[in-house]
Amino acid sequence: GDSVTQMEGPVTLSEEAFLTINCTYTATGYPSLFWYVQYPGEGLQLLLKATKADDKGSNKGFEATYRKETTSFHLEKGSVQVSDSAVYFCALDPLGGSTLGRLYFGRGTQLTVWP
Amino acid sequence: DTGVSQDPRHKITKRGQNVTFRCDPISEHNRLYWYRQTLGQGPEFLTYFQNEAQLEKSRLLSDRFSAERPKGSFSTLEIQRTEQGDSAMYLCASSLAASGLQETQYFGPGTRLLVL
Repeated sequence: GDSVTQMEGPVTLSEEAFLTINCTYTATGYPSLFWYVQYPGEGLQLLLKATKADDKGSNKGFEATYRKETTSFHLEKGSVQVSDSAVYFCALDPLGGSTLGRLYFGRGTQLTVWP
Repeated sequence: DTGVSQDPRHKITKRGQNVTFRCDPISEHNRLYWYRQTLGQGPEFLTYFQNEAQLEKSRLLSDRFSAERPKGSFSTLEIQRTEQGDSAMYLCASSLAASGLQETQYFGPGTRLLVL
């Protein structure tokens, strides 16, 4: 079935370090892929998305490229800040396109950035 | 712009009691989703509505759970005869579904339920 496997946390980095959070997926069709972020005490916020193979989503210095050949959507940022400390969720919409239905989420990765 | 709101934000109840949560979506959004998130896990889909029609229910949604969206605006999620295993964060999300439009689900802050 459709699922997302996300890198186990927690991840602890110093400010300005490079970040990678791995995400791989299983889907029978052509899914859309998402990264959501959850700051302490807040709801999930969409960080970026990609709807087809080789698309790159980007926002706030974060990037992720939809790799169909490796079924991956890894999140990267070149230089993290303390304010990036949050929980990051990779998610999949198995129907893709404009027919959004339920999302399948990974378990989340806690990121802590120290000054 | 008022995003998705949920009420209450926290609920503590005793096992066996009924609880009801409310979600107010973004005003023009026609789809509304409920998810459940337990500690250390990602959100799990429960059910969703398009306008007032409930289009899909997860097998996670036992017969003790019922959701409504009577006028296609706000939604309620009721849990009857609560059990300790119902303790979780209940998340609501809304989206605008339209032909040719790439949808995005916008989430509320959640209602945290603790069943004693």
